[in-house]
Amino acid sequence: SQWGEENLQALSIQEGEDVTMNCSYKTYTTVVQWYRQKSGKGPALIILIRSNEREKRSGRLRATLDTSSQSSSLSITGTLATDTAVYFCATEEGNYAQGLTFGLGTRVSVFP
Amino acid sequence: GPKVLQIPSHQIIDMGQMVTLNCDPVSNHLYFYWYKQILGQQMEFLVNFYNGKVMEKSKLFKDQFSVERPDGSYFTLKIQPTALEDSAVYFCASSPRLGESQNTLYFGAGTRLSVL
Repeated sequence: SQWGEENLQALSIQEGEDVTMNCSYKTYTTVVQWYRQKSGKGPALIILIRSNEREKRSGRLRATLDTSSQSSSLSITGTLATDTAVYFCATEEGNYAQGLTFGLGTRVSVFP
Repeated sequence: GPKVLQIPSHQIIDMGQMVTLNCDPVSNHLYFYWYKQILGQQMEFLVNFYNGKVMEKSKLFKDQFSVERPDGSYFTLKIQPTALEDSAVYFCASSPRLGESQNTLYFGAGTRLSVL
């Protein structure tokens, strides 16, 4: 998982496999956003899940949210080499003006 | 989709010099941010800027840092003087609105700052 870890998590998988990454957040949030950052680019939002949703799907992406344990997961089914990126979860920790608080990220490398 | 442009992509300067990082946010966005990311670490919030003023800043936003967006021009982050620990990738972001579930940020590709 992303928070509480000292180092960036890294996963290496083959194309076609599924992958799941986890994120734990520290304080109450009404929404968890998942961003993907490809090499040399800025992060880009890929899926957002609100506190009244337990699961959200978008194409090959599936996000879950458990507000009781303050954790979220992101799954990618049938990975492609183009899914290679660092994936961050992000939350709003109460003060919206502070933007988002990001986790350390999970580096996913998908090999053909 | 909407794009945020950052110029330059890489800047190398000597410690003690001044540096200005430039950001061209999405045209109809109102809220602008700078984040700092040291290699292998979390991306951390520096500052939020709205309507010509700093709305919120973190403890990372030292006295040597300043931001501005003169009308119609870039949103800039200036560091004067720079220190070795300022070496990082600085990401600019913008969003159209603020608030619960709406604080989706659009990021630029970052400026890698190397202070020697």
